[in-house]
Amino acid sequence: GAVVSQHPSWVICKSGTSVKIECRSLDFQATTMFWYRQFPKQSLMLMATSNEGSKATYEQGVEKDKFLINHASLTLSTLTVTSAHPEDSSFYICSARDIGGLAKNIQYFGAGTRLSVL
Amino acid sequence: GENVEQHPSTLSVQEGDSAVIKCTYSDSASNYFPWYKQELGKRPQLIIDIRSNVGEKKDQRIAVTLNKTAKHFSLHITETQPEDSAVYFCAASRGFGGGSQGNLIFGKGTKLSVKP
Repeated sequence: GAVVSQHPSWVICKSGTSVKIECRSLDFQATTMFWYRQFPKQSLMLMATSNEGSKATYEQGVEKDKFLINHASLTLSTLTVTSAHPEDSSFYICSARDIGGLAKNIQYFGAGTRLSVL
Repeated sequence: GENVEQHPSTLSVQEGDSAVIKCTYSDSASNYFPWYKQELGKRPQLIIDIRSNVGEKKDQRIAVTLNKTAKHFSLHITETQPEDSAVYFCAASRGFGGGSQGNLIFGKGTKLSVKP
């Protein structure tokens, strides 16, 4: 299957700082990428849909000023957690949707980023 | 909007036995149903998917069945092995299009343990 690269895989930061997470589709173009948050032993919670060339669509309850999303190209989306606080500590996973050919609508996931805010 | 229910939340089987995980969905317009396997600390991996124009799909030891009338779909794993132990997520979507139509709505997951 297609490959989605996400980094960093693990980041520790101080409270009040900002952290940027990158998500890249390596061998396909993705007009749409998704950002999820996953708490321990829980399901994937969709935070926002990242659309290339336009503003992201945020799910209800997700603060867009806190979780800044930029989809600068067909292969790159970034999530910036601004002014991070300990409650933002979590596992963040991105996915990219392949819309080409037989892979229509398949989402491929990045390896995730474990964020720990001290 | 779409709501996906997944059962059971945990499932323990003996190696060699079969495992079945069931999901129901609420949006009759959903037409794409993937299953993902997530091992501890790793990314979800697509293991099989089914579209609404078929009722069953098989790939070696795994199969998925879809009942559109009842709005439920199931994952079947036969001859389970210890390496099948993981969390399995079902999902549903309307396919892709403008806005949030193509978004995957995930079930809460099933933790499968296969005992040797």
